[in-house]
Amino acid sequence: GEDVEQSLFLSVREGDSSVINCTYTDSSSTYLYWYKQEPGAGLQLLTYIFSNMDMKQDQRLTVLLNKKDKHLSLRIADTQTGDSAIYFCAEKGAGNSGYSTLTFGKGTMLLVSP
Amino acid sequence: DSGVTQTPKHLITATGQRVTLRCSPRSGDLSVYWYQQSLDQGLQFLIQYYNGEERAKGNILERFSAQQFPDLHSELNLSSLELGDSALYFCASSLAGVGPGETQYFGPGTRLLVL
Repeated sequence: GEDVEQSLFLSVREGDSSVINCTYTDSSSTYLYWYKQEPGAGLQLLTYIFSNMDMKQDQRLTVLLNKKDKHLSLRIADTQTGDSAIYFCAEKGAGNSGYSTLTFGKGTMLLVSP
Repeated sequence: DSGVTQTPKHLITATGQRVTLRCSPRSGDLSVYWYQQSLDQGLQFLIQYYNGEERAKGNILERFSAQQFPDLHSELNLSSLELGDSALYFCASSLAGVGPGETQYFGPGTRLLVL
């Protein structure tokens, strides 16, 4: 079955780069997503990447995809204290009917210290 | 603000009881999804509706049921509640629910505590 794994915790200093890693198992994954969840809030879509891409950059965010190794990473440049949150990786498979659903990892808690 | 609203924000109830969680999707979205987030299980997909019809089912217990109404709002009904049902329940919506590129937008969640 589908499975998405993430490291549970990452601590960085303000101004450094953060790299959050994710591995997935579904080889039919078509889109991969990164969501951010701040304390007491819902999930906010940060970015996504199509599986035939290697990299996507969006301002301070860079997503790298290694499809061969089924490895996805999210790099946050110049990390700020406001980036402290839980980051979820999610994959969306092709599905049979087209109504494919998201499978989430358990989330990586990013703590940014001043 | 994602445009998805959920009520109530918090709910405290007792074991054995039944509760209803409500979700209004973003304007124009036809598809609604329900997720459960707990410390041990993480974020689990429960069920998806599209334009009033059930489209996909995940790890939803038989004690739980959902529906989507003609005005596209959705309700998740949880019955015979157990302590382990305490969790954050999220609703998400998307335009049509088809195609791998379609984005889901999440509501703020309903925090359920079963005592």
